[in-house]
Amino acid sequence: GNSVTQMEGPVTLSEEAFLTINCTYTATGYPSLFWYVQYPGEGLQLLLKATKADDKGSNKGFEATYRKETTSFHLEKGSVQVSDSAVYFCALGSTGGFKTIFGAGTRLFVKA
Amino acid sequence: SQTIHQWPATLVQPVGSPLSLECTVEGTSNPNLYWYRQAAGRGLQLLFYSVGIGQISSEVPQNLSASRPQDRQFILSSKKLLLSDSGFYLCAWRVGTAGYGYTFGSGTRLTVV
Repeated sequence: GNSVTQMEGPVTLSEEAFLTINCTYTATGYPSLFWYVQYPGEGLQLLLKATKADDKGSNKGFEATYRKETTSFHLEKGSVQVSDSAVYFCALGSTGGFKTIFGAGTRLFVKA
Repeated sequence: SQTIHQWPATLVQPVGSPLSLECTVEGTSNPNLYWYRQAAGRGLQLLFYSVGIGQISSEVPQNLSASRPQDRQFILSSKKLLLSDSGFYLCAWRVGTAGYGYTFGSGTRLTVV
C-alpha cells in the first residue's frame, strides 16, 4: 500500500540556516505530493504541492521537487526564520482516491 | 471565499460523558469532509470521511461515530468517552479526490478526565 516516511525530529537550526526535511514515499500510480505546516495550537495549513514528476512546489521561500526516480519530495528553505518553527507533514494523495497518507511529522525549532 | 469553522476550540469532559464536535464549511458545495485525530506529539489518524449527505466511511473502531446531516455540516460524536479519546481533533474538507489538498479547521483540543 501507499506510505510516506519523513525524517524524525526535532530539527533544531539557527536563524538563517539552510533547512532540509527529507520525505520519501511508496505508491502505485502517480500520486500528488504535499507539504503541510502546523503552528503550535493550530490546524494544518497546506504549504505546497506537486502533482507530477519533476514538478516543483514552492511557497513562502519553501520548495520541494517531485522526484519519481528517487521517490522523494524533500522540503528545503534557504534561510529559516524563528517564525518557521512548526511541525511539517509530508503527505501523499492518489488521484481518484479519497484518503491522504500523512507522514509522522517533523518538528522544527529555529533559534534566534 | 471558502472557510471552515470548527468548535469548540477546547473541551474538558469526564470519562463516560457524551461528545459532540461540529464542523461547517462555507463557500463551496458538495465538499468531501474528513475527521482526523492527532494524539499529543503524534501524527494524524483518519477517523471518518464523507463524500455526501448521510454517507460516512469509518476508519476506526467504534467508540466514535460521525454524521453528515447537511451538505456542509459534519459532526463527530461519542456516547461515552474514554481516556484514550483525548487528543486534538481536526476537521478538513476538499473538493475532489486525494489529488487535491485539504483545508483544515483550527481544531478542538479534547481532554478526557
